[in-house]
Order: sequence, then structure tokens, then C-alpha cells
Amino acid sequence: EVQLVESGGGQVKPGGSLRLSCAASGFSFGSYDMNWVRQAPGKGLEWVSFISSSSRYIYYADSVKGRFTISRENAKNSLYLEMKTVRAEDTALYYCARDFSSIDDYWGQGTLVIVSS
Amino acid sequence: DIQMTQSPSSLSASVGDRVTITCRASQDIRNELDWYQQKPGKAPKRLILLASNLQSGVPSRFGGSGSGTEFTLTISSLRPEDFANYYCLQHRAFPLTFGGGTQVDIK
Repeated sequence: EVQLVESGGGQVKPGGSLRLSCAASGFSFGSYDMNWVRQAPGKGLEWVSFISSSSRYIYYADSVKGRFTISRENAKNSLYLEMKTVRAEDTALYYCARDFSSIDDYWGQGTLVIVSS
Repeated sequence: DIQMTQSPSSLSASVGDRVTITCRASQDIRNELDWYQQKPGKAPKRLILLASNLQSGVPSRFGGSGSGTEFTLTISSLRPEDFANYYCLQHRAFPLTFGGGTQVDIK
């Protein structure tokens, strides 16, 4: 069974840092591109970042570029999102999601990040 | 960046109604558009991939059409479990962009 389990969320002060993780199981993680998507409370979905299977290609939304860093460790079946200089508007539920171009659709249940002083 | 304009932002409908939701892309995205359903407290679930292909396991009352810049999600006969939020997603080019969402609630 494919599983994506996010962790690392919590409350952080504006300007602070946080590292999110996504543990993958049930599939060949190193063969798939991965994404982070977030959803602010009561709002819509916002794509955050993409990383290709080999980490060769990385893309970010303009709203996080220069502050967030996506990475992966295929040997550990893990995806990461390093968040720095966080802002109140980064408050959201953060989902990891497998390759949107894949025939199958897999998302985690999300980890909540609250940016507040 | 490709902007996705989704309409309506909300609608009220009755069980059995035919419902149509539209997404318009700011430039040609071919057929690289998916439709998602999201219920409260749950992760999004893909209904339609590549504009018109029903995701495995999704009921046939859901359908998608369109290409280029105009796309439509149709629910042929609304069921109680279909009251939810719906989003389109273009994955033709980075940054990927979602539509603003459509809340479908009970009339």
C-alpha cells in the first residue's frame, strides 16, 4: 500500500525556520517526482515546490522562492521541505504529493504549520 | 506564469442536478489539466486526469472535457457524497497552478 506521511509541522515564530519531512512507502520512491502543496486555513490549494526523481530539476512557487528548499533522500524514501524566514502567510497544512503526471494519485494527510508570535 | 480561472466559486445544487464547473487557462495548456475533489479534513482526491480521463475508481457520473484553454468538469447527477470543494490543476508548466476552487453545497 502506498503511503505518504508528513511530519515536522508545528508553531514557529515569524522569521523562524522549520523542516518538514514526508516518509514514503509502498512504492519505488526514487522513481517518482514529488511535490509539496499547501492549503491555508479555509483557503484553496497552492502548489509550493517540485523535485524530480533524481533531484536534477527543482521548481518553486514565487511565494516561497529563496526561502524554502526542497530536497530528497531516495535511500531513505524521504522528501523534505526546509522552510526559512517564515511569514504569517506561510501558515497552512502542507501536503506531499506524488508526481501529478503519474496515472495514480497519492497525497499524504498533511502537516500543519502555524506561523505566529 | 499560467493563471487558472475557475468558475463559479460556489454553487448550490440539489441531489440529481447536473453540475458544471469551468477552468480557463491564461495560455494553451494542451490537455495537461486535472480535476480534484476535496472534502473537509481530507486530502484532495483526483477525479479526472489529462482533461478527460476518469481516474480509476471514480464514479462515471464525473466527466471532464476541454483542451487548450477551456476545461469543464461535469457531474451528471449530483449525489449527496459529491458535496465538496473542487479544484483544477494545470501541470503543463511550472509554476504549477490550481484554480481558485468551487464549493458545491446543498440547495
